[in-house]
Amino acid sequence: DAGVIQSPRHEVTEMGQEVTLRCKPISGHDYLFWYRQTMMRGLELLIYFNNNVPIDDSGMPEDRFSAKMPNASFSTLKIQPSEPRDSAVYFCASSLGFGKLFFGSGTQLSVL
Amino acid sequence: DAKTTQPTSMDCAEGRAANLPCNHSTISGNEYVYWYRQIHSQGPQYIIHGLKNNETNEMASLIITEDRKSSTLILPHATLRDTAVYYCIVRAQTGANNLFFGTGTRLTVIP
Repeated sequence: DAGVIQSPRHEVTEMGQEVTLRCKPISGHDYLFWYRQTMMRGLELLIYFNNNVPIDDSGMPEDRFSAKMPNASFSTLKIQPSEPRDSAVYFCASSLGFGKLFFGSGTQLSVL
Repeated sequence: DAKTTQPTSMDCAEGRAANLPCNHSTISGNEYVYWYRQIHSQGPQYIIHGLKNNETNEMASLIITEDRKSSTLILPHATLRDTAVYYCIVRAQTGANNLFFGTGTRLTVIP
């Protein structure tokens, strides 16, 4: 199994631009999580899905952030418009039920 | 989920056992203790979890006190590759399936 796959690995963009982060969970997993990590705030849970349905998005910072999961093998996290304070590492993770989470390698986002 | 308290940092000599403590005094009866670690610039990695009995796997051992208010993760023979931030998390296996990470313990294995 290839594990959780995230793309891109690095993203550099200018303030105001739209950013789309992508995630492919492990096949067969029914939960998908998006986390953000910064030095100041550590690892924050943004949103998680169960069977492609968003369950808890209370961690999404504001309306500029949106996440979708159109099918069991793909999810996106979109930021529009992006701001410098969105600079962080964004991790995607998946799990089978309440089992252990498997994390991707993350996307390092820099908004200039 | 119950809050956990961990030391900010610890050092351990290579080849020695690393004992990482965690306090979770408000843990509920249905909450498990999970440990993850994050090696620099990688995603967190699951290590081990338990409810009330001690657990051991190929990576580590987990010792949970009888009152379940604290636990210790043991890396029996620490190597340089074990240098990482270790997160102790308590989490139920019903209801909301969310995993909240605190600040963790930064373990540095010294040659």
